[in-house]
Amino acid sequence: DQQVKQNSPSLSVQEGRISILNCDYTNSMFDYFLWYKKYPAEGPTFLISISSIKDKNEDGRFTVFLNKSAKHLSLHIVPSQPGDSAVYFCAASARSQGNLIFGKGTKLSVKP
Amino acid sequence: DTAVSQTPKYLVTQMGNDKSIKCEQNLGHDTMYWYKQDSKKFLKIMFSYNNKELIINETVPNRFSPKSPDKAHLNLHINSLELGDSAVYFCASSQDEETPTDTQYFGPGTRLTVL
Repeated sequence: DQQVKQNSPSLSVQEGRISILNCDYTNSMFDYFLWYKKYPAEGPTFLISISSIKDKNEDGRFTVFLNKSAKHLSLHIVPSQPGDSAVYFCAASARSQGNLIFGKGTKLSVKP
Repeated sequence: DTAVSQTPKYLVTQMGNDKSIKCEQNLGHDTMYWYKQDSKKFLKIMFSYNNKELIINETVPNRFSPKSPDKAHLNLHINSLELGDSAVYFCASSQDEETPTDTQYFGPGTRLTVL
């Protein structure tokens, strides 16, 4: 049972445009959400997070939006750069449980 | 300096063998984890250790055993390897497991192939 779903396995975007990566979750107990970025042959690295008490968190070119009623979050990257090409994992946790539950990832390709 | 390191990076072995993967973190973190990324690309937690205590065991087979000689190390031992154990195994660490908001830092992964 996938509690965190990333339904798009891949996304291709032109350099300078916006990249939007989507994530849906099913567990209403989740109260903290994170995005990790992974390059080939490396481990995931933390990118940005959001608590359920917020609906938006911004860090430079990266913004995460949370829609609790829809159990949906998205990561916006603008402007996209070729160096952003990587696999992006959405993850969620519930304070009462502590585990991070990951989605399958979306492979982003930013073309020059 | 590498924050979380794993050895070996690649491991190819025969079914039935016993193998170990080592993990070390130099971040001074209290909690370490092992994750498995299977062929379907799901990253799933296997274990976490806090101050030498196992605090999560996600119903993995008892052929898998984490061993923590000290706070900076969490090694993964696997007995009687099976074909289905082939995967990429990631080690991670965080400052405090009881605070879910703590960022987890991942190692580069160990690709295990069981023939």
